[in-house]
Amino acid sequence: QSALTQPASVSGSPGQSITISCTGTSSDIGGYNYVSWYQQHPGKAPKLMIYDVTNRPSGVSNRFSGSKSGNTASLTISGLQAEDEADYYCSSYTSSSTVLFGGGTKLTVL
Amino acid sequence: QVQLVQSGAEVKKPGASVKVSCKASGYTFTSYDISWVRQAPGQGLEWMGWISAYNGNTNYAQKVQGRVTMTTDTSTSTAYMDLRSLRSDDTAVYYCARAGVADFDPWGQGTLVTVSS
Repeated sequence: QSALTQPASVSGSPGQSITISCTGTSSDIGGYNYVSWYQQHPGKAPKLMIYDVTNRPSGVSNRFSGSKSGNTASLTISGLQAEDEADYYCSSYTSSSTVLFGGGTKLTVL
Repeated sequence: QVQLVQSGAEVKKPGASVKVSCKASGYTFTSYDISWVRQAPGQGLEWMGWISAYNGNTNYAQKVQGRVTMTTDTSTSTAYMDLRSLRSDDTAVYYCARAGVADFDPWGQGTLVTVSS
């Protein structure tokens, strides 16, 4: 299985909003509402930011939101802050009862 | 709080095996699956598989199927990932994570496995 498709990089200025897309197929993103998003700072373990497409774990800022349309999921970060600069990964449950990750997107806060 | 603590870094020669441990605390171990994810240097995340801590059922990614075995010890709330016939492209940080339906939270701190002759 190929990785889910994410843009390699996105950037935005403090206070702005950015959206990261994650494209799969009907066998993963399109077939299930089990899309998650992770934030990873350099040298650190990933942190769950969004699960089940739209849900935020306790403690995650409401500036982070998720959505899905067809085979594409999206992560939106509003009110961009310097600490949001990190790598972001999407993942999805698949029809093979496995999990597929995206290739990752590097977010730069200008 | 919920915490996963992994074993320390390993250096192995090609063809050898490595076993990484992941000790869970702060929750009922048998109520969740444990998943293993690896990240090669400078690369993205790669899901390797998961194991039910309740009944030991496993599901492995095709890429490592046949070389990986995931197990749990419920008496110590510890999960293990055994990878055999190591190759240079197995060099990576290996993470364990508590698994929900298909989400992972929290993650262990990671274990660097270096395969080099």
